[in-house]
Amino acid sequence: SAVISQKPSRDICQRGTSLTIQCQVDSQVTMMFWYRQQPGQSLTLIATANQGSEATYESGFVIDKFPISRPNLTFSTLTVSNMSPEDSSIYLCSVESDRGRSETQYFGPGTRLLVL
Amino acid sequence: SQKIEQNSEALNIQEGKTATLTCNYTNYSPAYLQWYRQDPGRGPVFLLLIRENEKEKRKERLKVTFDTTLKQSLFHITASQPADSATYLCALVTDSWGKLQFGAGTQVVVTP
Repeated sequence: SAVISQKPSRDICQRGTSLTIQCQVDSQVTMMFWYRQQPGQSLTLIATANQGSEATYESGFVIDKFPISRPNLTFSTLTVSNMSPEDSSIYLCSVESDRGRSETQYFGPGTRLLVL
Repeated sequence: SQKIEQNSEALNIQEGKTATLTCNYTNYSPAYLQWYRQDPGRGPVFLLLIRENEKEKRKERLKVTFDTTLKQSLFHITASQPADSATYLCALVTDSWGKLQFGAGTQVVVTP
């Protein structure tokens, strides 16, 4: 298993600003995932972040809007840039259970973002 | 991508009864399917994984079935307890890297 922490747990931001969300894991993992969960909706994968390479973004998500860093095997950040009210959501990071085999994922507690 | 359907209406059930949740998908059958529990304000917690060649999987009071002909998975909570109240999500693997696609979830409310 893996224990994942996220910072901040919640934030209220103004339109046009950017917020960087941190994800820290208590063990080394190969793949980290960033999800968005809008109110009443399912989790939607934003991107997959592997250490040492560029993040891979899903359809509808772009690096300019959601830049991701993955400096080492235990840490990643997701930045929500130039925010608008539509970005209000819960942002979650997750990791695979075993290096190279993502059969189960462990999730962080999420960052609840409200954009005014 | 798949279209994944879970009951959008909350399932209200009396303590001690069995809760049955449905997860239907539309396209190809995934190599495996997972069920997660999510409590308000928290991230999802993994519960069970079932592979396409498995018909049924059990873990304590939980049971999952997987019918690739019907393109459906059923999730059962037997002898339900108020502590089982949560939203339950099904997730299908979509590629060889283990990328998951989630359903919207079904809320379960167990009353004493």
